[in-house]
Amino acid sequence: DVKVTQSSRYLVKRTGEKVFLECVQDMDHENMFWYRQDPGLGLRLIYFSYDVKMKEKGDIPEGYSVSREKKERFSLILESASTNQTSMYLCASSPPPGNTGELFFGEGSRLTVL
Amino acid sequence: QKEVEQNSGPLSVPEGAIASLNCTYSDRGSQSFFWYRQYSGKSPELIMSIYSNGDKEDGRFTAQLNKASQYVSLLIRDSQPSDSATYLCAALRNTGFQKLVFGTGTRLLVSP
Repeated sequence: DVKVTQSSRYLVKRTGEKVFLECVQDMDHENMFWYRQDPGLGLRLIYFSYDVKMKEKGDIPEGYSVSREKKERFSLILESASTNQTSMYLCASSPPPGNTGELFFGEGSRLTVL
Repeated sequence: QKEVEQNSGPLSVPEGAIASLNCTYSDRGSQSFFWYRQYSGKSPELIMSIYSNGDKEDGRFTAQLNKASQYVSLLIRDSQPSDSATYLCAALRNTGFQKLVFGTGTRLLVSP
């Protein structure tokens, strides 16, 4: 079974702090994604990566950056956390080729910014 | 207008009934469509995909696609209380690197 592991299930941070959300997948998938999920807004794509050191902006990249130094690991970085970034963050991976639409999600990281 | 639209529900059906979940999409270039199920407090999991007009059946689940009407649906036959979850419709946007766009989900409640 594909396993996507997110390092922290629950985080509480203060406004202005730098936040790292880590995601690791064990199926050698090329494509990895970061979504946030908010009530009434659904899942929105923040960033994605289709190869090591490659990254592409999703629909809501403002305030976020990502890092993919190794194929299995995709990190989401909030340079200066703000209260409107309080959300559930979901990492996902998908097998090649391209984005088939078949995503495997991690358990999620619920971030609260005070 | 949202790219993928779903009624938020809740849709309540009795055990054993057919649950019908609907979704519309705005991007005519979208070619592939998916249904994900998300239990409360859990992450989404893929349950069905459909790529061409018509019906696709998998066990108790049937996905239906009508590209002319830009309409996707999911039928769940013999609904069980364990089917109670939020169902997310998603469309694969066909521009550059394909992006999966999700609807906000429909909450389904199946009562015993």
